[in-house]
Parts: sequence; C-alpha cells; structure tokens
Amino acid sequence: QLQLQESGPGLVKPSETLSLTCSVSGEPISSGTYYWGWIRQSPGKGLEWIGSVYYSEYTYYNPSLKSRVTISVDTSKNQFSLKLTSVTAADTAVYYCVSQTSGVVDNWGRGTLVTVSS
Amino acid sequence: DIQMTQSPSTLSASVGDRVTLTCRASQNISSWLAWHQQKPGKAPKLLIYKASSLDSGVPSRFSGSGSGTEFTLTISSLQPDDFATYYCQQYDTSPWTFGQGTKVEIK
Repeated sequence: QLQLQESGPGLVKPSETLSLTCSVSGEPISSGTYYWGWIRQSPGKGLEWIGSVYYSEYTYYNPSLKSRVTISVDTSKNQFSLKLTSVTAADTAVYYCVSQTSGVVDNWGRGTLVTVSS
Repeated sequence: DIQMTQSPSTLSASVGDRVTLTCRASQNISSWLAWHQQKPGKAPKLLIYKASSLDSGVPSRFSGSGSGTEFTLTISSLQPDDFATYYCQQYDTSPWTFGQGTKVEIK
C-alpha cells in the first residue's frame, strides 16, 4: 500500500528557504504510475496545490508560486522534495505530500506544519 | 484559475439523515471533479473521482453526481464517522483547485 511521509523543519525564518522531503513506500517513485506533488493548507487560503513532478523530469507548478518553487526527485532514496524560497508569514501552513493520477489527489501524507517566524 | 465554490459552508445534521453538498465550478470542467473528506487533525482522504466514481473502500452510502459546472455529494444515511469537512477538487485545468469546504456537524 502506498504511503507518504513528510519530514523537515517546523520553523523557518522569514526570507529563508523552506525545504521538505517526502519519503515514499509501497511504490517505486520512478515507476511512472503517479505524479508526486505538494499541497498546503492554511486557514486563510484553504487547500492550495503547489506543484507536481513526473518521471523525475517533468515539473508543473502553480503559477502563483512558480517563481519560488522547486520540486525534485531522488530515485535512489525513493523520495521527492520541495523547496520554497523567500518565505513570509503567508507561507505558514500544513504541507502535504501527495500522489496524483491524472490530476486527482489519490493519496495524502499525514502533513507537517511549517511556521514562518523569526 | 478555476474557482470552486461549495455550499453550504456548514451543515448541521443528525445520524441517519440524507445530506447533499454542492460544489460549483467557475467554468465547465466536464466530470473532472473529486471529493475529499477531512477529519480534524488528519489529512484529507479521497472519496470520489470523476464526479461519481467511488474510491476503493469508500462506503456505498456516499455518491457523487453532476457534470459541467454543478456537482453534488450525497450521503444517503449519515453515520457518526461521517462528521467531517468535505472538499471538492477540480482537475480539468491546471492549477488544480479546491473548494473552501463544507463542514458537516452534529445537529
């Protein structure tokens, strides 16, 4: 059964880079079965799709965040990662890693709270 | 971006009630709509995709319908485990977008 688990710092300072990793079990990340993505949830903006990656090389980002986001894959560790630069308090949210099939979010990680504060 | 609007924001109901939640898209999304259930402190969980297809293991009391811009999620007989917040998600056009949610609470 596919499982996803987020990891990374829970506190990031304003203007710095938020970095999270998602560990995938139950499916080789390079199989091509799924897109791998990130979604965040905050009280102010609800659920927001950040971006996805497919086959390690095709990336798709939300235009609202595209200038600050990088999603990458480490097939040797069966992980994928999120980097969000120049963070502000507005980036405080619960971040979920997810799998997607044709755009449908079909599996969610447990989520990790990231707070942006000095 | 396609805007997804859910109504009502909160729905109060009793165990055994039939409840219907509505989701409207700002433009035609055909049947490319999913419903997710989220309980407090937990991650969302996929219930329905392609407007009316139940994900594996989802009880048959859940059903979805609609196409184009108007969609509904119906719970035929509300169970204690169903009190949660429900989100619709369109996947017709990137960026994929979600509604703001409907909270189903105990009356």
